[in-house]
Amino acid sequence: AQTVTQSQPEMSVQEAETVTLSCTYDTSESDYYLFWYKQPPSRQMILVIRQEAYKQQNATENRFSVNFQKAAKSFSLKISDSQLGDAAMYFCAYRRETNFGNEKLTFGTGTRLTIIP
Amino acid sequence: NAGVTQTPKFQVLKTGQSMTLQCAQDMNHNSMYWYRQDPGMGLRLIYYSASEGTTDKGEVPNGYNVSRLNKREFSLRLESAAPSQTSVYFCASLFRSSYNSPLHFGNGTRLTVT
Repeated sequence: AQTVTQSQPEMSVQEAETVTLSCTYDTSESDYYLFWYKQPPSRQMILVIRQEAYKQQNATENRFSVNFQKAAKSFSLKISDSQLGDAAMYFCAYRRETNFGNEKLTFGTGTRLTIIP
Repeated sequence: NAGVTQTPKFQVLKTGQSMTLQCAQDMNHNSMYWYRQDPGMGLRLIYYSASEGTTDKGEVPNGYNVSRLNKREFSLRLESAAPSQTSVYFCASLFRSSYNSPLHFGNGTRLTVT
């Protein structure tokens, strides 16, 4: 079974600084998809960014970018110019490529990010 | 669009009581899911449904039953609630437009079993 590990239960960063959240995963598959979700205090789950394993180029979404290292099975999230609204729990998630009908996501345990004004 | 709607938002049960968590999506999504979130455990899959009329167990199905009533609705039932089922429950749905389609989540139900 696939596992996703987030080794940093909590992180903090000064406002306007850059922070990197780490995620590693274990899989024997070669084709899969990786996601970062954000959960603010409102409890809502919000997609931040996604990466296809077959793409060598790292995904970026405005201030959010990933460092995808397929050989190392690592998928870290970098947040640049941190803002107070970035304070949240961040979850890394994995989904293997499969036939439609079996698209289950496996989540990590989360990293709580605090932004220091 | 309302997206994924879960009811209720909060619920307190006594041990042994039963209840059903309701979930409906208006996005014409094919697959629907129930996850539970516990501190330090992340989100764990309870059950999922790839299409109307089909359901499959996830990682932690014991103590739960589900019903995919139609394409829009996917309910989760606790027949005899236990304190170990105190958790936040999320319903999610997925549209198979592409392999990298993300899950769309409801806002969660906080359940406390005393």
